[in-house]
Amino acid sequence: DIQMTQSPSTLSASVGDRVTITCRASQSISSWLAWYQQKPGKAPKLLIYKASNLESGVPSRFSGSGSGTEFTLTISSLQADDFATYYCQHHNSYPLSFGGGTKVEIK
Amino acid sequence: EVQLVESGGGLVQPGGSLRLSCVASGFTFSSYWMSWVRQAPGKGLEWVANIKHDESENYYVASVKGRFTISRDNAKNSLYLQMNNLRAEDTAVYYCARRAAGFTVNDYWGQGTQVTVSS
Repeated sequence: DIQMTQSPSTLSASVGDRVTITCRASQSISSWLAWYQQKPGKAPKLLIYKASNLESGVPSRFSGSGSGTEFTLTISSLQADDFATYYCQHHNSYPLSFGGGTKVEIK
Repeated sequence: EVQLVESGGGLVQPGGSLRLSCVASGFTFSSYWMSWVRQAPGKGLEWVANIKHDESENYYVASVKGRFTISRDNAKNSLYLQMNNLRAEDTAVYYCARRAAGFTVNDYWGQGTQVTVSS
């Protein structure tokens, strides 16, 4: 089974900051990596799939990159609405799995 | 508008059973794979199961194999999760989610239903 590891687990940032979250897979998953955003008490929201494809309606300040085992989610200029927890998920094969999450907090 | 509405959660004793339901609307349910994903209190997301649009394929996380069964009724636009022999570690919010066309990611999610396994 493929294990997903995110870092950092918590990130403190200010509005306007450039933020980068890293996700590593325990084996190569090509570009089969998705990112989700989750706010407290709400369902997750798909942001990016296949490493760099922006889901419809997601602001362009979100971008994803990487392939193989290392991936990044970048928020180019953090907005107030972006304070949330972010999860990566591989969609390479079954069983699917998520990273442990990165909580983006207000500095 | 795509909507997914879960129901059936509740408090159940260890070893007990529960059946979750999810009613879908706003899209052609019979054309999409569907998923169940759960989240234990204060923890991250865990994929539970996927089912193909025609029920010909299904997949489970190892920890629920043999105890949980995913199924669907396309005539009723409904997805189900039959959970047997429940354990304390199954306590979580269970989300129903649509699998995106062409990719094994979830593009629409329900609001979740709470399952608590406790004596």
